[in-house]
Amino acid sequence: SQQGEEDPQALSIQEGENATMNCSYKTSINNLQWYRQNSGRGLVHLILIRSNEREKHSGRLRVTLDTSKKSSSLLITASRAADTASYFCATDAGSSASKIIFGSGTRLSIRP
Amino acid sequence: SQTIHQWPATLVQPVGSPLSLECTVEGTSNPNLYWYRQAAGRGLQLLFYSVGIGQISSEVPQNLSASRPQDRQFILSSKKLLLSDSGFYLCAWSVGQGGKLFFGSGTQLSVL
Repeated sequence: SQQGEEDPQALSIQEGENATMNCSYKTSINNLQWYRQNSGRGLVHLILIRSNEREKHSGRLRVTLDTSKKSSSLLITASRAADTASYFCATDAGSSASKIIFGSGTRLSIRP
Repeated sequence: SQTIHQWPATLVQPVGSPLSLECTVEGTSNPNLYWYRQAAGRGLQLLFYSVGIGQISSEVPQNLSASRPQDRQFILSSKKLLLSDSGFYLCAWSVGQGGKLFFGSGTQLSVL
């Protein structure tokens, strides 16, 4: 079953613009993570935010978490062509912290 | 350093044939191990996860099974493949609860 749903499903922006992706989930969580996947490859971990955190930064990435709304957002600033990829949020299942479930993903395309 | 090995990279199998995909992790002890399946252009579906030898949680049993014969080895099997088993299979590992996942490079399985 899918825990998270990303929005939008696809996003195309001009290089240099900011990209914002959203994720909603259904159950209580301990952590929320964001991953990136280049076509046909394995996923790469980007950032983890704990349920008691509201915002986290890593380089050009900014993640927010609103546990009251069961939602998170990933902002990529000053996008580059190399940021073209699919982005997924993942959550644990709360009571089963080792069970990690992924959302449906956002396909991000950066136009040069 | 820790590494994960997943093979083969691609596999073409006839309907009704058996399947065995192997994943091994090096450089860590007692990892959590995961099998995910991804349909083209879609999110990741959790199939199985294991928090220790002999402990396997099945999320989508269908005609697939998983085994963990050794601490750092996770095997995905099927006795008889179906057309619907086609997809991109990803193995991953983590340490602790709700920690970040490290993915293998994936196996593209085509059942014909």
